[in-house]
Amino acid sequence: QKEVEQDPGPLSVPEGAIVSLNCTYSNSAFQYFMWYRQYSRKGPELLMYTYSSGNKEDGRFTAQVDKSSKYISLFIRDSQPSDSATYLCAMSAGTGANSKLTFGKGITLSVRP
Amino acid sequence: ETGVTQSPTHLIKTRGQQVTLRCSSQSGHNTVSWYQQALGQGPQFIFQYYREEENGRGNFPPRFSGLQFPNYSSELNVNALELDDSALYLCASSSNQGLFFGEGSRLTVL
Repeated sequence: QKEVEQDPGPLSVPEGAIVSLNCTYSNSAFQYFMWYRQYSRKGPELLMYTYSSGNKEDGRFTAQVDKSSKYISLFIRDSQPSDSATYLCAMSAGTGANSKLTFGKGITLSVRP
Repeated sequence: ETGVTQSPTHLIKTRGQQVTLRCSSQSGHNTVSWYQQALGQGPQFIFQYYREEENGRGNFPPRFSGLQFPNYSSELNVNALELDDSALYLCASSSNQGLFFGEGSRLTVL
């Protein structure tokens, strides 16, 4: 079993839809949870950064962490064609010098106009 | 804009050659990490440098080596290149707000 599993894709939705992206993990030491967006042939861009369990909202994006279930989600409201990209979940046990990230495989999202 | 710059952006090498990739991170970020991202996969941790010392290494052979300089810039060196080394190599610097990546260096090994 991989440390981080991400729902397989690709995912195609119409513009305006609510998108739900999910990851599960097995390592109880993970405390920091991130979502990255990666456009084709570019580096990953940090979208959301959360610590421990709970919700965090930033504009159209909401990140949820449930440490008891080892499950994290990213919700995108009112999805736009510009949201079309690969989304990667990532997590770590610490910050700074202990910030080694373990990534999911990524899911490719396409938002149809 | 992450403040992390990498060079070169693209390069092509042949099997058996050696390559050096460079990274300049944001001022004040004393931790730099390198990741390898194969096509269709998430990034895989290669190693991390903290104040010029290696501080953690992933499951990569010794022919992957690195350096961090006093100004916190960094190099990734790969010797005896293999076809499977073809990937996007990402450098990242750490802050309390997360890990920020550069645009990467795309290496093709023929």
